[in-house]
Amino acid sequence: SQWGEENLQALSIQEGEDVTMNCSYKTYTTVVHWYRQDSGRGPALIILIRSNEREKRSGRLRATLDTSSQSSSLSITAAQCEDTAVYFCATPHQQGTGSKLSFGKGAKLTVSP
Amino acid sequence: EAAVTQSPRNKVAVTGGKVTLSCNQTNNHNNMYWYRQDTGHGLRLIHYSYGAGSTEKGDIPDGYKASRPSQENFSLILELATPSQTSVYFCASGDAWGPGQLYFGEGSKLTVL
Repeated sequence: SQWGEENLQALSIQEGEDVTMNCSYKTYTTVVHWYRQDSGRGPALIILIRSNEREKRSGRLRATLDTSSQSSSLSITAAQCEDTAVYFCATPHQQGTGSKLSFGKGAKLTVSP
Repeated sequence: EAAVTQSPRNKVAVTGGKVTLSCNQTNNHNNMYWYRQDTGHGLRLIHYSYGAGSTEKGDIPDGYKASRPSQENFSLILELATPSQTSVYFCASGDAWGPGQLYFGEGSKLTVL
């Protein structure tokens, strides 16, 4: 498997709290995708980070990538109820075949009022 | 308007029956993919295609066939459905170049009795 076991997570927090989801992978990559999946919907890309960026922000989202430890994280600041979803990290299956993605098992985030 | 459309959205089949899941994309992407999603496993790649007439095996191809008759259409075929193939299936499309963002359909829930 491409993925570490800690990639399957279930997180429950209150509105306004910060949360971080972690992802570790076994095969070297220079890019990590983060997808969000709402209940009953297909996954959708929310942030993509490359190795030369180390950190990338989009609104309340912040992604990091550490190629030396082969890990990535996604943080949400001041979580809202609408952030409730499953979050996946994904990496290219093989270098050079950028569109063939391998997905982690996902982190189910529940944000309560 | 949805760019990746799957049909049927829900299907109940009998063991040993033939099932065809269809996918249509209007993104004009070369690459298309079929994943299945099961609790505890995340998204796993079944088959993919680099263009009309091509199909490639993914990580879990056994028991599945794929067909790509045109740029827009990609089908997943279960010739002899089994209860272990009960799952939610997602089709996705992606560019041949770049970092490989995938665009997913809404999913097809298959139950094999």
